[in-house]
Amino acid sequence: DIQMTQLPSTLSASVGDRVTITCRTSQSISTSLAWYRQRPGKAPKLLIYEASTLETGVPSRFSGTGSGREFTLTISGLQPDDSAIYYCQYYDRSPYTFGQGTKLEI
Amino acid sequence: QVQLVQSGAEVKKPGASVKVSCKASGYTFTDYYIYWLRQAPGQGLEWMGWINPKSRGTHSPLKFQGRVTMTRDTSIDTAYMELSRLTSDDTGIYFCATVLRGDNWNPAGAFDLWGQGTVVTVSS
Repeated sequence: DIQMTQLPSTLSASVGDRVTITCRTSQSISTSLAWYRQRPGKAPKLLIYEASTLETGVPSRFSGTGSGREFTLTISGLQPDDSAIYYCQYYDRSPYTFGQGTKLEI
Repeated sequence: QVQLVQSGAEVKKPGASVKVSCKASGYTFTDYYIYWLRQAPGQGLEWMGWINPKSRGTHSPLKFQGRVTMTRDTSIDTAYMELSRLTSDDTGIYFCATVLRGDNWNPAGAFDLWGQGTVVTVSS
């Protein structure tokens, strides 16, 4: 099984800042990686798939890079409603595994 | 409107079973896999399995094999997930999801549509 290591586990930033979240995998997964945002009490929302493709309707402040075993999610121009937990996910072959999550506090 | 709507909250006793439903609308139900995931209180996301609504084929990780049953009713565009032999560790929010960017022959894909979640509480 693919193991996901997501860092940091918590992150504090200010409005307007740029932050980066990292996801490392135990084996190379090419670009089969997605990023999600989950607000309290809500279902996760897809932000990025194929490591760097922005989901329709997601602001361009969000960007993803990486391939192989290391991936990053960058959020620029932080807004107050970016406060949430962010998860990376491997989705090519079963089992589909998630990172432990990064709690972003604005 | 493209959406997945799940059934309401459940409270169960240890050893019992729970069955959660997920009704699809706004797209062709049999064209896309339905996935089930869960989230324990304050914890991360865990994938529980998928069902191909067209073929009825299912697959789940070893952890849930023998305890999870996924079915569907194409006449009402609804998928079901039943989890048996419940313990307190099964308390959490259960989600269904799909990959509308995908198809009905390859289950790989990022989950781009989610249900709202169903809270399941297991308590004596």
